[in-house]
Formats: sequence, structure tokens, C-alpha cells
Amino acid sequence: NAGVTQTPKFRVLKTGQSMTLLCAQDMNHEYMYWYRQDPGMGLRLIHYSVGEGTTAKGEVPDGYNVSRLKKQNFLLGLESAAPSQTSVYFCASRRGGSGAEQYFGPGTRLTVT
Amino acid sequence: AQKITQTQPGMFVQEKEAVTLDCTYDTSDQSYGLFWYKQPSSGEMIFLIYQGSYDEQNATEGRYSLNFQKARKSANLVISASQLGDSAMYFCAMREGGGLTSGTYKYIFGTGTRLKVLA
Repeated sequence: NAGVTQTPKFRVLKTGQSMTLLCAQDMNHEYMYWYRQDPGMGLRLIHYSVGEGTTAKGEVPDGYNVSRLKKQNFLLGLESAAPSQTSVYFCASRRGGSGAEQYFGPGTRLTVT
Repeated sequence: AQKITQTQPGMFVQEKEAVTLDCTYDTSDQSYGLFWYKQPSSGEMIFLIYQGSYDEQNATEGRYSLNFQKARKSANLVISASQLGDSAMYFCAMREGGGLTSGTYKYIFGTGTRLKVLA
């Protein structure tokens, strides 16, 4: 039982390049989230999904796109990377219920030069 | 605006002593939830404890307890008998919203408190 996994763990991009971060969970969770963590700012929600085929914007969605074609996978895309997108990206998932905690992946450290 | 505030950027505590990490929140929702997560230096986020806004008893999980004072809008984490392995970053988070389903819940995180346990 792997929980939540993220691919890749590290990546360096040049400004303007594109990439996709993959999040996978094996807990059959309906809800999935993408966050970014920057020093001194905690975690900020980028996009989230309430089920297969559905996505919604979070607090900081600009410059990112997401897709949830399969229940277990949630993809985060950067079409044209910018230095401001240098961050640590976390994926999380949870089951339904008001008290359900989020399970987090190990994070992806992205540097845009 | 909904907000989570953690005013202690860093804390020190002696091993085996108790420590309180502060968290205040601001929301206009009647129904909300408060979570604490631990982030060790390895980077993963570990769930510690949850308190619902309608829960009358303070939540406890082993050495962790949540001191919930609704009128003050505070949800402080108390760690009893600190251990060296408790050294980490601690985040307070609030679940708000919901509407008719739990799918529209959003989560807001504070900026964290870095705890160092001294031997």
C-alpha cells in the first residue's frame, strides 16, 4: 500500500519549458489536491478535484492546469514555467467526510531558472 | 477573510517537557474543522489531530491534544512529554466551506511553527 506517490521528486526547468507532475493514490479517495509550499508561506491550494473528470481552482491557480482522467491520478501541468513557480509541490488525497484528514505525497521540488 | 495565524515562527522545548503551539483562525462559517500536521526535515506532511467546530470535547491523540477555545477562535496544539523526534515544522490548517457535499471543502494552512526539542 503506497499511499500517495508523486513523480518526479526533483526537476529543474528553464523558463518557458513545460512539464507535468503526476500524483497517484491507491486508497480509492474521491478528493485530490495540489498545493505549493514556499518559505514562510505555508501551503497554498492550487487546484483540487472532487472526483474523476472534475477539477476546480484553488487559491493560486494561475499558470497551472490539472486533469483527473482516472480516479487514482491527478496531474498538474505547467505550460510555460516561470521562476515564480519555483517551489515544493505537494499532492494530497482524502476520503469523504468532514473530519477526514488529507494524506500527502512526499513532494516534488521544482526549480525554474 | 478566512485565515489561519501561527504567530510563533520558532519554539524551543526541553525534552520531556510539554509545549503549546499557538493557532488562531478567522472564519464566518459555523461549520469548520481544524487540523494539525507535522512536517519533519524529511519533508513529508503527517496528520496529527482534528477538531470539528461542533465537537464539545477537546481532541486528543496520544501525546497530542488540541486546546479548542471557540469564543477566542484558537486551536492550540499541546504536545506532552516532548521527544527529540518531535523536532519539526508544525502547521495548523482549517477546513471550511462544504455546501451540500464535502467535496467543496477547502483547506487553509498557517505559515507554521518550527519546534526544536533540546536534549
